[in-house]
Amino acid sequence: NAGVTQTPKFQVLKTGQSMTLQCAQDMNHEYMSWYRQDPGMGLRLIHYSVGAGITDQGEVPNGYNVSRSTTEDFPLRLLSAAPSQTSVYFCASSYFGRLNEQFFGPGTRLTVL
Amino acid sequence: EDQVTQSPEALRLQEGESSSLNCSYTVSGLRGLFWYRQDPGKGPEFLFTLYSAGEEKEKERLKATLTKKESFLHITAPKPEDSATYLCAVQATGANSKLTFGKGITLSVRP
Repeated sequence: NAGVTQTPKFQVLKTGQSMTLQCAQDMNHEYMSWYRQDPGMGLRLIHYSVGAGITDQGEVPNGYNVSRSTTEDFPLRLLSAAPSQTSVYFCASSYFGRLNEQFFGPGTRLTVL
Repeated sequence: EDQVTQSPEALRLQEGESSSLNCSYTVSGLRGLFWYRQDPGKGPEFLFTLYSAGEEKEKERLKATLTKKESFLHITAPKPEDSATYLCAVQATGANSKLTFGKGITLSVRP
């Protein structure tokens, strides 16, 4: 099992550019989520999905889009990058109802200039 | 609104010097409280789940305890490899899909 994988590991964007952060899991987990982690702010939930075709907003969804066409993949799209989106992004997955035992990916460090 | 406050922000210990990390929480109803460990440059890794006041969980040098208002992560005779950031999170009853995380406590253990 590869667990939760994220690509890319590092990315630098210019303001206004768009990009997609990839996330995949091979554990057949129903629940997948995206968090951002900023110094002094802790982990904040951006979007989550409880199954293919079902997504919902978390605490800080503005500027981000998600879709879930398969159980395995949960990409995060930045539509028009802003410096405020400079952060480390983590994808996580778990069985629904077992959110405590979320498996986290290694993270993507994004810098927006 | 659910809130999680962790203290201190950072803790430096000598190897073998036992201590405790604190996690205070405010939720309308607690479904569970969770501890994670995060190493630099990596994603968080699940450690413990606590569901009700009085519950305790242990793993090697770590023991987590829970009261109605806070949780403690006790570290007994820490080693340098215990150095990491420890995150606390809560799930409220009815919040089937969300966890609320604290800011974390960075622990450094000197040999």
